[in-house]
This record gives sequence, structure tokens and C-alpha cells, in this order.
Amino acid sequence: GAVVSQHPSWVICKSGTSVKIECRSLDFQATTMFWYRQFPKQSLMLMATSNEGSKATYEQGVEKDKFLINHASLTLSTLTVTSAHPEDSSFYICSAIDSDNYGYTFGSGTRLTVV
Amino acid sequence: AQTVTQSQPEMSVQEAETVTLSCTYDTSENNYYLFWYKQPPSRQMILVIRQEAYKQQNATENRFSVNFQKAAKSFSLKISDSQLGDTAMYFCAFMKGGSEKLVFGKGTKLTVNP
Repeated sequence: GAVVSQHPSWVICKSGTSVKIECRSLDFQATTMFWYRQFPKQSLMLMATSNEGSKATYEQGVEKDKFLINHASLTLSTLTVTSAHPEDSSFYICSAIDSDNYGYTFGSGTRLTVV
Repeated sequence: AQTVTQSQPEMSVQEAETVTLSCTYDTSENNYYLFWYKQPPSRQMILVIRQEAYKQQNATENRFSVNFQKAAKSFSLKISDSQLGDTAMYFCAFMKGGSEKLVFGKGTKLTVNP
């Protein structure tokens, strides 16, 4: 089946630094990927839609300059949290659509802790 | 905008018994898809079952089945012969036809007790 690999699975960084999270579709091409944020014991909140070869589409209230998304190839999307602050600490999940599995395949998530 | 409501924040069931998780949604669309996702403690989101709105037959996947009531905008998940490994958060999700965005409910935490 379709597999989405997300790295790193967890990261701790200092306040003010930037962190990059990678999302790769391993056995299929994904023209569209999605980035979610999940707070403890809460649901997934869509942050942005990542489109291969074009700019990402951000949901209302999401700072595009803080959460930089790049989708340079059909198998890789990256989310960079710039100038991270403790309030950016969260669980970030990516997903991709595989045409044979309409309903998304999710990455395993990245737990970001900003200290 | 579409909304998805899961009215049961937490539920528990004894091993081998049956449990039903509720989900209602609000939409004016006629073409859409509904999903149940499982998120175990590992936090990996796993697709449990999906239903196309145009299909009247309820989807079934082994021990998991849905009761899709389109007119009532209800999409409940029934888990039969519950197993300890079914312990997880369960999210109901909606996707409008032609869109690629999933709208999630707030989730139901299911605990299967031995």
C-alpha cells in the first residue's frame, strides 16, 4: 500500500531557530500534500495544502511566513517552522493523496518541542 | 462550511463486545465522501473505512461497519468483537466531492477493556 514517510519523528529546538520537517511519498507520486497540526487531545487542524511546483495554499489564520512550505518534487514536501517559539510546540502531520487510495495516507507525525 | 460533530468524547467497551461511535455532519453538498480514521497511541493516522455518499450500501471492512443515513446526515461506526488493539482515538472526517480537503470531527477516545 501507499506509504508516506515523515522525518524527523521528534525534534527539540531552541527558541528562535528554524526546524524543517520532511514528508515523502515512497511508492507513489503526490501532486498534493497536506500539513496538519494537532494539539494534545485535540483534532487535526489543516494548516496548508502543498502543491507540487506552485505556492502552498494556507488556511485562514496560519502565518505563511512562519510556516514555510516547499513542494519541489512529486514525492517531497517540506514544512519549515521559522523562528520557532514555545507556542509552536505541537504535533505536525503530513498526508498525501494516492489516487488508488482516495482518502489520504498519513505520515507518522513529528513532535516539535521548542525550548 | 461543512462541520463534523462527534458527540462522544470518550467511550469504553469490554473486549469482544460491540460498540458504536456516533458522527453527524452538516453539508449542503450532494457529492461527498465520509471516513473514519483511527489514531492509536503511536499517533499514526490509519484509515478504517470510507463511504461514498452516492452509495446506499453501508461500507464494511471486517469487524468495522458503518450506518450511513444520508437524509439524517449521520455516519456511525460499529466495531464488532472489540479487541484490545482497537483502543485509540477515532476521527470522523468529511470531504466534499471535487475537493481534497478533509474536515475532521473532534474525535472519540475509545478504550477497550480486558
